[in-house]
Amino acid sequence: DAGVTQSPTHLIKTRGQQVTLRCSPISGHKSVSWYQQVLGQGPQFIFQYYEKEERGRGNFPDRFSARQFPNYSSELNVNALLLGDSALYLCASSLDAGLRGYTFGSGTRLTVV
Amino acid sequence: ILNVEQSPQSLHVQEGDSTNFTCSFPSSNFYALHWYRWETAKSPKALFVMTLNGDEKKKGRISATLNTKEGYSYLYIKGSQPEDSATYLCAFIGNWDSNSGYALNFGKGTSLLVTP
Repeated sequence: DAGVTQSPTHLIKTRGQQVTLRCSPISGHKSVSWYQQVLGQGPQFIFQYYEKEERGRGNFPDRFSARQFPNYSSELNVNALLLGDSALYLCASSLDAGLRGYTFGSGTRLTVV
Repeated sequence: ILNVEQSPQSLHVQEGDSTNFTCSFPSSNFYALHWYRWETAKSPKALFVMTLNGDEKKKGRISATLNTKEGYSYLYIKGSQPEDSATYLCAFIGNWDSNSGYALNFGKGTSLLVTP
């Protein structure tokens, strides 16, 4: 059974550009969450989607947006990239609200230059 | 923003040593506490999901305890092995709210290095 897959694994963007990150959850998992991890910090919550609806949003600017598709895969979009958006972006899927744990992907490493 | 603290920040032990880490979190509005193990260049892997005060969970040489009333959890590793080297993250989930849902609030992690 495939785990949580994220694409791309690495990418480099220029300030001001836009980026789309993709995540496919484990089959059967209806919840997808996104986290940003910068060096020296724990992952920070960005969004949670369940059954294609946004169920939670972290303290991130409106440049960050996401959606979940009918097949439960998800995209995270970041507009007007800043140098400070350089980070590892993790996607996690779960069956429910976290009582049985989350399964994480290996992340997308975004570098903004 | 919920304050989740982990200590120590890093730990270097010899093979065979036993060790423990601490995670402190808000003692109100508790829903669940997760522990994850994160090896370099891999994805975080769930170790334990703890929901009840007094919970004790064990998986092989690793165990965890939970005190929701005072807001802390301990992770223990007995007889550390080099393959235990990783960052150990705890994450607190508060009761559902309309802003953050059931978000994981992570600590910064404890980085463990076990040398032969």
